[in-house]
Order: sequence, then C-alpha cells, then structure tokens
Amino acid sequence: AQKITQTQPGMFVQEKEAVTLDCTYDTSDQSYGLFWYKQPSSGEMIFLIYQGSYDEQNATEGRYSLNFQKARKSANLVISASQLGDSAMYFCAMNELVFGKGTKLTVNP
Amino acid sequence: ETGVTQSPTHLIKTRGQQVTLRCSSQSGHNTVSWYQQALGQGPQFIFQYYREEENGRGNFPPRFSGLQFPNYSSELNVNALELDDSALYLCASSSHLRSGGAFEQFFGPGTRLTVL
Repeated sequence: AQKITQTQPGMFVQEKEAVTLDCTYDTSDQSYGLFWYKQPSSGEMIFLIYQGSYDEQNATEGRYSLNFQKARKSANLVISASQLGDSAMYFCAMNELVFGKGTKLTVNP
Repeated sequence: ETGVTQSPTHLIKTRGQQVTLRCSSQSGHNTVSWYQQALGQGPQFIFQYYREEENGRGNFPPRFSGLQFPNYSSELNVNALELDDSALYLCASSSHLRSGGAFEQFFGPGTRLTVL
C-alpha cells in the first residue's frame, strides 16, 4: 500500500527566509510520481511541483524546489524567499491516489 | 483555456437524502478524479473516470457513485447521506501521462457539503 507522511502539522517562517516542508513516502512500486500542492483558505488545491521516480534531477519551479532522496524515500519541498502569500496548507501526494495530512505554513512579516 | 469548475459551491442536506455534485474538466482533459476532504485532513481519493469509464476507486462504499459524460464532465452522486459525509468535495482533471505513470492534475474550487 502507498502511504505519505507529513510530520510537521505547522511551520512558521519569517518573510524572505527559506523553509523546508518534510514528506516521506512508502511504496513498493518502482514507477511513481510525487506532487506538492498548496491549499489556501479558499480551498482550491494549487499544483506546485512534480518529481517522477526516474527523474535524476531534483525538480524546480520558480521559488519551489523538491529535495528528492529516493533511498530515504523523502521528497521535501523547499520554498525560498518566503512571501506572506505563501501562508497556506501544503500537501504532499503520491500519484493521484494518496495525500498526506498536510503542513500549515505561516509566514510572519 | 477554461479551468476546472464545480457546482454548487455550497450545499446543505439532511441525513438520508441524496446529492449530486458536478464537475467540468479543463479543456482537453479526459480524466477526472474525485476526492473527499474532511476538515483538517488531506484529500481522500474516491474514484477516477477515464474516457467515461471508472478507472480506479478508493475505499468508499457503493453509495458513492459517479459518471463521466462524452464531453468529459463528471458527476459524483452520494446516496443515503450520513453526517460523516460532510466535507469538501474536490474534483481534478488531468491532461497527459508523464513518465512514471503519474498525472499532473488541476483541481476545481470544490463543493462544501454539510449534512445535518
């Protein structure tokens, strides 16, 4: 069975600083995809970044990067230069099937 | 390019009633997935439709059923509503198959269902 674990219920960061949100996963599949989504208080899930299991390079999308360590089964999201608008829930997911419980990020001015 | 839309945005029902939620997929997408998100939790996969056929189902009872139409829009039907069905219901559509067998999905704004 596939499983996603996010161990940080809440994180705080100062504006303009970097923050890392943790995600570990468990699967017996060789081929899979890992996603990060942002969910503001409005409720809509916003796709941030994707990492395929066979991708050798860590994915990057603007201020978002994914620190993919396959042997450790971790896929941490790094947000650089945090902005106030980054305050939201962040979910790690495997394929379209399994989501973690999320991390609430608060960016302080 | 039109994004994923869902209707209604909010809905209040009573126990035992039936509800139908609707989702219009993004232009060019042929796959729709439905999720239930209880308050304070991550989304739970209900089922997925690909080209009008069910293409996978999560751990939800048969009273949760769905449909996908030729234009790839979709409906989620829930019969015999229970209090625990109160949640945000999210629909997502996908456009292509990436290497690794996963889909990039675009989510709608959700329908918030309250069961009294």
